[in-house]
Amino acid sequence: GNSVTQMEGPVTLSEEAFLTINCTYTATGYPSLFWYVQYPGEGLQLLLKATKADDKGSNKGFEATYRKETTSFHLEKGSVQVSDSAVYFCALSFGGYGQNFVFGPGTRLSVLP
Amino acid sequence: GAVVSQHPSWVICKSGTSVKIECRSLDFQATTMFWYRQFPKQSLMLMATSNEGSKATYEQGVEKDKFLINHASLTLSTLTVTSAHPEDSSFYICSASTPGQGYQETQYFGPGTRLLVL
Repeated sequence: GNSVTQMEGPVTLSEEAFLTINCTYTATGYPSLFWYVQYPGEGLQLLLKATKADDKGSNKGFEATYRKETTSFHLEKGSVQVSDSAVYFCALSFGGYGQNFVFGPGTRLSVLP
Repeated sequence: GAVVSQHPSWVICKSGTSVKIECRSLDFQATTMFWYRQFPKQSLMLMATSNEGSKATYEQGVEKDKFLINHASLTLSTLTVTSAHPEDSSFYICSASTPGQGYQETQYFGPGTRLLVL
C-alpha cells in the first residue's frame, strides 16, 4: 500500500540553524507530494507541494525537491526561526479529484532562541 | 483564497449528547470534503470522505451511525457525533479539495474543532 515515513522527532534546533526533516514514501505510481505545517492548537496549513519528479516546492524559506529515484521529499530551511516551531507533516496524494491523502506521522520541531 | 472554516472551534459536552461540527469552504466550491481525527501528538486519521449530494464513504473501523456526515451543499459539510462518550474526545479536522491544474488537486484544511466529552 501507499505510505509515508518521516524522521522521528522531536527536533530541537537553535535559531538560525539549518533544518532538514526527512520524508520518504512508498507508492504504486507517481503521487503528488506535500508538506503541511500545524502550529499549536491549529489545523494544517499547506506549506509547499510538488507534483512531479524533480519539481521543487518552496515557500517561506522552506523547500523540498521531489526525488523519484530515492522516493524522497526532504524538507529544508537554511535558517530557522522561533516562529517555525510546529509539527510538520509529509503527505502524498494521487491524481484524481477527491483522492484522499496519506499522511506521515508528523515531526515536531522546536526552535530555541 | 481557498479558506476553510470550522465551527465551533472547541466544544465541551456531557456524555450522551450529540455534537454537530460544521465545515465550510468560504471562497470556493468543494465537491469533496474530508473528515479527519487527530489524537494528541499523532498524525491525522481519515474518518470519511464526503461528496456533495451523496452518502459519505467511511474508512474501515469508523462507525457510520456514530459519526453522521452530511454534505448538503458545495460549501458545507457537517459531522455529528451522536451520543458522545469520553473516548470520542479528540481534535476533528475537515478539509476540502478543489480541482487543481491538470489532474492534481490540493486539500485545504480547516482550523480544527477540539471536542471534550465529560
